[in-house]
Formats: sequence, structure tokens, C-alpha cells
Amino acid sequence: DAKTTQPPSMDCAEGRAANLPCNHSTISGNEYVYWYRQIHSQGPQYIIHGLKNNETNEMASLIITEDRKSSTLILPHATLRDTAVYYCIVRPQTGANNLFFGTGTRLTVIP
Amino acid sequence: DSGVTQTPKHLITATGQRVTLRCSPRSGDLSVYWYQQSLDQGLQFLIQYYNGEERAKGNILERFSAQQFPDLHSELNLSSLELGDSALYFCASSVGGVTETQYFGPGTRLLVL
Repeated sequence: DAKTTQPPSMDCAEGRAANLPCNHSTISGNEYVYWYRQIHSQGPQYIIHGLKNNETNEMASLIITEDRKSSTLILPHATLRDTAVYYCIVRPQTGANNLFFGTGTRLTVIP
Repeated sequence: DSGVTQTPKHLITATGQRVTLRCSPRSGDLSVYWYQQSLDQGLQFLIQYYNGEERAKGNILERFSAQQFPDLHSELNLSSLELGDSALYFCASSVGGVTETQYFGPGTRLLVL
């Protein structure tokens, strides 16, 4: 069951920041926000996850609103290799451990 | 490279046949998950094993079965194959069986003719 809403597609100029939004207005207090991406038909690649606080790693930053109803994945300097489908997934801390992949956002980085 | 390996990379077979897909999890990971990605259904969870035991089941057909061996590798068996079973099959692994991050393998592309 889809718990997230993402735009179907976005473009970003190479070298610029890519900001990918995700709406998860029905998120519960014990649910994490996870981001994965899939480049062409490769296996999904884990990017980042968070619960309440903003998170940053070597790949991206995750900004979660204070009410936790939406989040934004930021790729600070997009490259052509970042062209992929990006999935925002809401996942509980306990219980079912499978990931529900919706339709995601197809990000195209333009030279 | 996620550390999860899957074999074979590609598989072409005929309807009615049976195939076995293999997955080796990352070193130290106890859980293995299987997902199917077809053009019209997107990525769907099939089944999870944790330390040799079935932990969770998703949209897995009765014609499909899986197991996890003592060395923690897993196999997904697909039998009485139909054209609609053509898809990418991904395996993922995680340290534990509940909330840990899942890391995906490169997948097996199955084509049923």
C-alpha cells in the first residue's frame, strides 16, 4: 500500500543541486523515511534514511519537515550518473520488514 | 558494489520449465529478501528468510518457493514458468530481520519464451 507520493519525473542541470520531494502525510511516529535509487535496471541502491532529524551522508542529504509529513532528498551536485529512478519509502521500526516501492521519481540530469 | 551477489545474471527458458536463482548475502547478514520487478507491476516483495527460517511472505505465487541454507545463501525456485514470470528478480540482505537497511544485489533477468 502506497504511503508516499512523488512527482513522476524531474530534470536537473548537471552540477546543480537536485531536490526530490516526497509526501508522506500519513506517516506514523515510529516510521522511518528511506530513499533508494535504481539506475536503469540495476539493483536498487540505498541512499539514506531518517526518522525525525535531518541526515547527511556522502551521497545526499535528507530534510524531513518538523511535522514529518514530507521530506526532500538533496543531491548537492548532480552528475549524469545520478540519472535514475528515486524511491521514497516509509517503513516501520517494527513489524513488516519488506520495502514497498511505489513508482518513484525519474530524475534526468541534463548536461 | 553492495556485496550481495546473484547468479545467473541472465536466464532464458521456456514455458513450463523450472529454474533456480541463487543469492549470496553480504558477509555477516542473516536476512535475505527476494523481490520481483516486472514492467507492469514495479518492484514487489516476494519473501524473506532470516537465519534459515521463513520470516515474511509477500506476493509470492504458489509455483515459487525459496529457502535459505546453513551458509546463509538463498535460492528462489520458480516452476511451471509462464510468460508473465519474465522479470528481474532481486535479492537483498540485511544484518538482522527487522529494521536494518536492505542492500540489493544486481539481479537476475529471467526471460520465459
